[in-house]
Amino acid sequence: QQQVKQSPQSLIVQKGGISIINCAYENTAFDYFPWYQQFPGKGPALLIAIRPDVSEKKEGRFTISFNKSAKQFSLHIMDSQPGDSATYFCAAGSNGAFIGRKAAGNKLTFGGGTRVLVKP
Amino acid sequence: EPEVTQTPSHQVTQMGQEVILRCVPISNHLYFYWYRQILGQKVEFLVSFYNNEISEKSEIFDDQFSVERPDGSNFTLKIRSTKLEDSAMYFCASKRDTDTQYFGPGTRLTVL
Repeated sequence: QQQVKQSPQSLIVQKGGISIINCAYENTAFDYFPWYQQFPGKGPALLIAIRPDVSEKKEGRFTISFNKSAKQFSLHIMDSQPGDSATYFCAAGSNGAFIGRKAAGNKLTFGGGTRVLVKP
Repeated sequence: EPEVTQTPSHQVTQMGQEVILRCVPISNHLYFYWYRQILGQKVEFLVSFYNNEISEKSEIFDDQFSVERPDGSNFTLKIRSTKLEDSAMYFCASKRDTDTQYFGPGTRLTVL
């Protein structure tokens, strides 16, 4: 129930094209859904995040679409550029959760990652 | 812009040895995390730390692992007796009280 499933595992897109990555979750306690971008040898860097009170969030060329009833969310990269070539991870967390009397600290559960290659 | 730093960037050790991975979280952050990523796999949660105690840990975080915040700036992960399967990238992350967790660049641990 804690899993986050991500697809596809890899994606090749032409420069200027649209990259679409999908994620699905089961735990309805999740209330925070970030996307992280990771370049080889680097740590994950937050790209964009959404909470379930909105169905879409856009920041520049990156858009998250969120479907609460289907428990799915997706990342759209518009006008993909070669510099966008990286691995993208979706994640889910539940802010404000408690374990006993201790704040649970909002651990993130990550999807399996999508390796995106943008061809010039 | 403040960032999470980690040392060393690469640690090579023999099986059975103890290792300590170090992290300096962003200075006004309150929540601290360790995650690991085995090569080519997803990022996995190990432990979260808040108010000077572990708030949550995963099944991976067994008795061989421990965390400590020895002073006001460092956050460490100790593996007492390393195994081959501990070879991975270890990421430290921190956050204040908003949702965003900021990740460090990672320490690559290689156990021989």
